[in-house]
Amino acid sequence: QKEVEQNSGPLSVPEGAIASLNCTYSDRGSQSFFWYRQYSGKSPELIMFIYSNGDKEDGRFTAQLNKASQYVSLLIRDSQPSDSATYLCAVHRGSYIPTFGRGTSLIVHP
Amino acid sequence: NAGVTQTPKFQVLKTGQSMTLQCAQDMNHNSMYWYRQDPGMGLRLIYYSASEGTTDKGEVPNGYNVSRLNKREFSLRLESAAPSQTSVYFCASSQQGEGTEAFFGQGTRLTVV
Repeated sequence: QKEVEQNSGPLSVPEGAIASLNCTYSDRGSQSFFWYRQYSGKSPELIMFIYSNGDKEDGRFTAQLNKASQYVSLLIRDSQPSDSATYLCAVHRGSYIPTFGRGTSLIVHP
Repeated sequence: NAGVTQTPKFQVLKTGQSMTLQCAQDMNHNSMYWYRQDPGMGLRLIYYSASEGTTDKGEVPNGYNVSRLNKREFSLRLESAAPSQTSVYFCASSQQGEGTEAFFGQGTRLTVV
């Protein structure tokens, strides 16, 4: 079992809807959680990070963390076709080295 | 400010050939990483370097060697390329410490025939 699990998708949502991307992790000692976006043929870029239980909002993006359930999610409100990409969940396992999930492909259709 | 620069962007090798992927960062980061990305497999860590002069194996180190030449540069070498090493390779860097963002290079698409 991979340490960071994501559904590979694709997740298909209509334009304007809320996209919900999920990630679970196995190491209870994990402290920091990151969401990266990767467009096809490009390198990953950071969207959000979260350290504490609860929600963190940044524009149309909300990261949610539940350490008891070892679960982190990313919500994208008012999804746009330009949000179509692969979203990578990354976890720092008590150190600075990021461990990545396999990524979820998101398709936002007009 | 270039960030993380990788060369080359594309490379085709024959089985058994060797090559070195170059990576340099200008953000004064202590830590550098090499990942490979294969369809459906996400980013897998090959090697990392916590600081200048140190390197450690990651999840998939077999068939690779690395050199942390100085604080800026971290190279990845394939001594005898195999078709299984066909992949997209990403170099990344970050500042040490909990919860720091990784910055990625533009990637190298390597094909071994």
